[in-house]
Amino acid sequence: NAGVTQTPKFQVLKTGQSMTLQCAQDMNHNSMYWYRQDPGMGLRLIYYSASEGTTDKGEVPNGYNVSRLNKREFSLRLESAAPSQTSVYFCASSDSGLSNQPQHFGDGTRLSIL
Amino acid sequence: LAKTTQPISMDSYEGQEVNITCSHNNIATNDYITWYQQFPSQGPRFIIQGYKTKVTNEVASLFIPADRKSSTLSLPRVSLSDTAVYYCLVGDFTGTASKLTFGTGTRLQVTL
Repeated sequence: NAGVTQTPKFQVLKTGQSMTLQCAQDMNHNSMYWYRQDPGMGLRLIYYSASEGTTDKGEVPNGYNVSRLNKREFSLRLESAAPSQTSVYFCASSDSGLSNQPQHFGDGTRLSIL
Repeated sequence: LAKTTQPISMDSYEGQEVNITCSHNNIATNDYITWYQQFPSQGPRFIIQGYKTKVTNEVASLFIPADRKSSTLSLPRVSLSDTAVYYCLVGDFTGTASKLTFGTGTRLQVTL
């Protein structure tokens, strides 16, 4: 049972390049999340998907787009990468967005933009 | 939205009990309180969750007073492997709660 799987684990981009971060969960969860974590800081929510076919902006959505491809997969796209988007990106899932449903996290994608 | 406040860092010796308090003054009636642990280069991991009074599992206890405006994560007899960042999270990911944040967490350093 893999839980939440993120690909790739590491990536280096040049400014202006585009990239899609992939996330898949095998726990049959309805809700999925994308966070970014900058050095010494907590996690900030980029986008949230309550269920298949729905997405909502989080705290820091600018510069990102998401796609909830199906119940298992939730991708994050950077259309034109900027150095300020250098960060560690975490995907998570939970049974619902209610506070009594803990989130399960992947191990992250470390993204550097030069 | 229930914003949380935690100490930035704490230090402890191995074998001691550690208590980390989180303040959440505007917690909503239906909100649960959840604590996560994060090691370097890993995603956060669920530790414990509660609604009121006391909850205990195999790794921690969670104390929540009657007014629910704060909560305390208690780690009994910590070891070096408990060195990590601990986050408390309060609130639902629905509608206007989309800006819910983990905050900066509490960095616990355990030494011999």
